[in-house]
Amino acid sequence: GGIITQTPKFLIGQEGQKLTLKCQQNFNHDTMYWYRQDSGKGLRLIYYSITENDLQKGDLSEGYDASREKKSSFSLTVTSAQKNEMAVFLCASSIGEYNQAPLFGEGTRLSVL
Amino acid sequence: AQKVTQTQTSISVVEKTTVTMDCVYETRDSSYFLFWYKQTASGEIVFLIRQDSYKKENATVGHYSLNFQKPKSSIGLIITATQIEDSAVYFCAMRGGNNAGAKLTFGGGTRLTVRP
Repeated sequence: GGIITQTPKFLIGQEGQKLTLKCQQNFNHDTMYWYRQDSGKGLRLIYYSITENDLQKGDLSEGYDASREKKSSFSLTVTSAQKNEMAVFLCASSIGEYNQAPLFGEGTRLSVL
Repeated sequence: AQKVTQTQTSISVVEKTTVTMDCVYETRDSSYFLFWYKQTASGEIVFLIRQDSYKKENATVGHYSLNFQKPKSSIGLIITATQIEDSAVYFCAMRGGNNAGAKLTFGGGTRLTVRP
């Protein structure tokens, strides 16, 4: 079976810092996603990618950059961390067919001091 | 633009009863796919069940079933014979079949508590 691995699991940053989160999947999935989840809230789409080197903005892309240099990996950069920001960033992946449910990684928990 | 709305923020039921969670959606796509996920207390997100918009039959998987009412843009999740371990947050999500492409949009979630 495959797995989606997000690193790091916990990330503590300073205000204004650029922070990078990584996601790797070994399912050979075409599409990958980054979501942000604030405490007690739903998932908001930041970026997604339908193939290597493709990037599509979600509803929350401002303040973030993404990169898909390989099919198996998708990274997300917080361009300038906001003071007291706390959220979980979730990576997901799926095959190209739209009727297939994306699978999720365990998340990266971000805290900004 | 896609939009998914879950109006029930929390529901509490007694074990072994049936619960229904509501979800309504908006889309311009003629073909689309609706998903329900469960987020456990540990934060793990697990896919439960899917409904394809072009299918009239309601999907069923184990003790999960869907109430798909296309004219009302509604996709309810029904859990029968609830168990304590069904306590979690449930999310409805939608993926477009054409214009919206691979974009997957989530609702705000419903917290289910199953008590003894």
